[in-house]
Amino acid sequence: GAGVSQSPSNKVTEKGKDVELRCDPISGHTALYWYRQSLGQGLEFLIYFQGNSAPDKSGLPSDRFSAERTGGSVSTLTIQRTQQEDSAVYLCASSLHGGTTYEQYFGPGTRLTVT
Amino acid sequence: GESVGLHLPTLSVQEGDNSIINCAYSNSASDYFIWYKQESGKGPQFIIDIRSNMDKRQGQRVTVLLNKTVKHLSLQIAATQPGDSAVYFCAENMAGFQKLVFGTGTRLLVSP
Repeated sequence: GAGVSQSPSNKVTEKGKDVELRCDPISGHTALYWYRQSLGQGLEFLIYFQGNSAPDKSGLPSDRFSAERTGGSVSTLTIQRTQQEDSAVYLCASSLHGGTTYEQYFGPGTRLTVT
Repeated sequence: GESVGLHLPTLSVQEGDNSIINCAYSNSASDYFIWYKQESGKGPQFIIDIRSNMDKRQGQRVTVLLNKTVKHLSLQIAATQPGDSAVYFCAENMAGFQKLVFGTGTRLLVSP
């Protein structure tokens, strides 16, 4: 079946502009995660959605970052007034259930470049 | 604070050799550990996991060892193949928390 998909695959934007990154999780997966991966670094947790529960936003680096998940499926990560330090690969993952002991399936990521 | 780190940023091996990738973690309350493989341009892919009540777990050509005394995790890959070339990440989870803490990764280069 289809895996996690993300769009766009690449995004170049000017400093100060807003961007929206999209994630389509695996159908039926109730948990969805967003991570950020800077060049040569590990994955940095951003936000976690589980079913209808309030999301865990503890990893969002600033109030310029927000995310929503509509209908328990597709998720959008929005970055307002982008800065050069926002340049990174943004990865989305989903798992069948919440809790990190369920395998997380990752999408290919969106590479964001802020010029 | 929480931290997960790796001893070697790059590991170069010959095809057919066994590879060992190491990871140190600092949070003694972590109870679940995972190894991921990330190929260029792709998202991380689950390899193997281990819970803190175990010290060894084997998969297909891979073995994960956990030493809680020194807070050390390792991934052993038997008969390494060129297709194993990738960046490998360890990740830990602390009981009761819903997020993984990832290390910075080790690049494995396999020469034919």
